Amino acid sequence: QVQLVQSGAEVKRPGAPVKVSCQTSGDTFFNAYIHWLRQAPGQGLEWMGIINPSSGATTYDHNFRDRITMTRDTATTTIYMEFDSLTSEDTATYYCARDPGGYHYFDLWGQGTLVTVSS
Amino acid sequence: VVLTQSPDTLSLSPGEGATLSCRASETISTDYLAWYQYKPGRAPRLLIHGASNRAAGIPDRFSGSGSGTDFTLTISRLEPEDFALYFCQQYSVTPVTFGPGTKVEIK
Repeated sequence: QVQLVQSGAEVKRPGAPVKVSCQTSGDTFFNAYIHWLRQAPGQGLEWMGIINPSSGATTYDHNFRDRITMTRDTATTTIYMEFDSLTSEDTATYYCARDPGGYHYFDLWGQGTLVTVSS
Repeated sequence: VVLTQSPDTLSLSPGEGATLSCRASETISTDYLAWYQYKPGRAPRLLIHGASNRAAGIPDRFSGSGSGTDFTLTISRLEPEDFALYFCQQYSVTPVTFGPGTKVEIK
């Protein structure tokens, strides 16, 4: 069964970075795009950016561009999202999601990673 | 593009039909509208893309319709596993945006 498996919950201090991983299959890694989205408590889903795992090319939403980096490891077919300078407003569940054809809809989602930012 | 969903909550019994609405603040070209099902603690599940195309493995009791600014998700006969949160997404314009969701709950 094809899945996206994300790393576990994180608790971070304000100002710290967080790095969340998303384990994919080889087919997903080389034939699809991966997006990162987040949902803060009581808020709607927010799109953060996209990576083409095959090439490593990325596009980030302007709201996050200064603080986000998406990378990938071709050996383990894992995608990473690193988010810097966390504040309490970044407390949210972060999702990776597969985009099968570059259209920006998502046919497979990770289970979500809760990131809590607290002093 | 701002998406508004109605109603906020639908209280229905198994076997009943459900009609969920998603309205966009501007025209969504090429019907680039998707619907998802979400249950707490689980990954969202794609139901519909392209406004009316069922995703792989989705039962035919789920159907999508609409164009322009008004879209509808219809569940013809609610099964117990269908009680969940449903949200729409437009992917016509970047950044993609999502509606706040409609909760379908057991009456």
